[in-house]
Amino acid sequence: EAGVTQFPSHSVIEKGQTVTLRCDPISGHDNLYWYRRVMGKEIKFLLHFVKESKQDESGMPNNRFLAERTGGTYSTLKVQPAELEDSGVYFCASSQDLGYSPLHFGNGTRLTVT
Amino acid sequence: DQQVKQNSPSLSVQEGRISILNCDYTNSMFDYFLWYKKYPAEGPTFLISISSIKDKNEDGRFTVFLNKSAKHLSLHIVPSQPGDSAVYFCAASATDKLIFGTGTRLQVFP
Repeated sequence: EAGVTQFPSHSVIEKGQTVTLRCDPISGHDNLYWYRRVMGKEIKFLLHFVKESKQDESGMPNNRFLAERTGGTYSTLKVQPAELEDSGVYFCASSQDLGYSPLHFGNGTRLTVT
Repeated sequence: DQQVKQNSPSLSVQEGRISILNCDYTNSMFDYFLWYKKYPAEGPTFLISISSIKDKNEDGRFTVFLNKSAKHLSLHIVPSQPGDSAVYFCAASATDKLIFGTGTRLQVFP
């Protein structure tokens, strides 16, 4: 089966610009997560979708971040306007079941805001 | 406040010897623990997990130990191989989301 796919793999933008990250989860996985890793720090939870509904968005840093998952398939994460501190690697993960089920991660999008 | 802590940022081990990676947690509600391995420019890959009802889980060369009273878990890799060189993340869950540590970079040298 195809794994979790993220696009783009890298993005370099200027402060104040807008960037949209995309994630295609494993087919059939209702649960989709976004995480972020800032250099050398932990992989930090951003939000969790179950199908098209936001189950938990407690990790979203502020209202400059908007995540959507229309139709319960792929998801997008938009940052508008981007700030320097938004730089990092954004990971998407999916799982079929809740609870005791490991997450399958994509390779991430490395975002650099200059 | 970080709920999952990996206090050793790096570890260097000779090939064939045992690698022991450690992880501490603060939230007593965590009931599911996982280890992920990450190579550069790739996403984390699931390695092994353990639920709080167990104190040990083994999968080939990898064994995870859980000490609930100490809120501590460890990953043992034996024998270590050069291909094991990667960053290892400990993660814990009480609900539907995983909380990760900062990672330990393992280097296995010949």
